[in-house]
Amino acid sequence: GDSVTQMEGPVTLSEEAFLTINCTYTATGYPSLFWYVQYPGEGLQLLLKATKADDKGSNKGFEATYRKETTSFHLEKGSVQVSDSAVYFCALSDQRSQGNLIFGKGTKLSVKP
Amino acid sequence: DGGITQSPKYLFRKEGQNVTLSCEQNLNHDAMYWYRQDPGQGLRLIYYSQIVNDFQKGDIAEGYSVSREKKESFPLTVTSAQKNPTAFYLCASSPRDRANEQFFGPGTRLTVL
Repeated sequence: GDSVTQMEGPVTLSEEAFLTINCTYTATGYPSLFWYVQYPGEGLQLLLKATKADDKGSNKGFEATYRKETTSFHLEKGSVQVSDSAVYFCALSDQRSQGNLIFGKGTKLSVKP
Repeated sequence: DGGITQSPKYLFRKEGQNVTLSCEQNLNHDAMYWYRQDPGQGLRLIYYSQIVNDFQKGDIAEGYSVSREKKESFPLTVTSAQKNPTAFYLCASSPRDRANEQFFGPGTRLTVL
C-alpha cells in the first residue's frame, strides 16, 4: 500500500543553520504531497503542499519540491529559528487512500540559540 | 473565530472504563476525522466521517466507536476493549471534496491508569 518514509530524528541545529528533512513516498498513482508541522502540545498545521510533479510548495521560508523521478518531497529552509522547533510530518493523499492523508512518523526538530 | 475544539486537553481514566472525547468544529466542514498519535508512530486514522449519520473505519478502529449526529460534532468513545488506550488523540475536519486539506484540533491526551 501507499506509504511515507521520513528521516528519523531528532534533528538538532543551531539558529541560522540550513535545514533538510528527507521524505520519500510509495504510491501507485499520482499523489498530492504535504508537510504538516506540530508545535509542542498542539495539533497539526498544514505547512505546505504540492499537487503534481515538479511543483514547489513554500510557506514561512520552508520549501519542498515534488520529485516524481526520485519519489521525494524533501523539506528545506535556509536559516532556521528557535521558533521552528517542532515535529514535522510528511504526508500523501491519493485516490487509493480515498483522499485521506497517509502520514510519515514525523521528525522532531530542535533549534538551539 | 472558526476552528476545531477538543475537550478536555488532559483526561485520566481507570482501566476498564469507557471514555468519550469531544470534538466540535464551526468551519462548516462536511468531513471529520479521528487520529491516534503515539511517540515515534506518527498519526494513525481511527475513524472518519464524510457526512452526517455516516462514518467509516480507519486503520485502527478496534476498541473505538464514533457517532455523527450533527455536522459540527464527532465524538470518539474509547471503550474498555481498546488494549492500549493511553495516547494523544487528534480530531480534524475538511471540506468533503478536499479531504487532504485537513484542519486539526489541539488534541486530547488520554491516560489510562
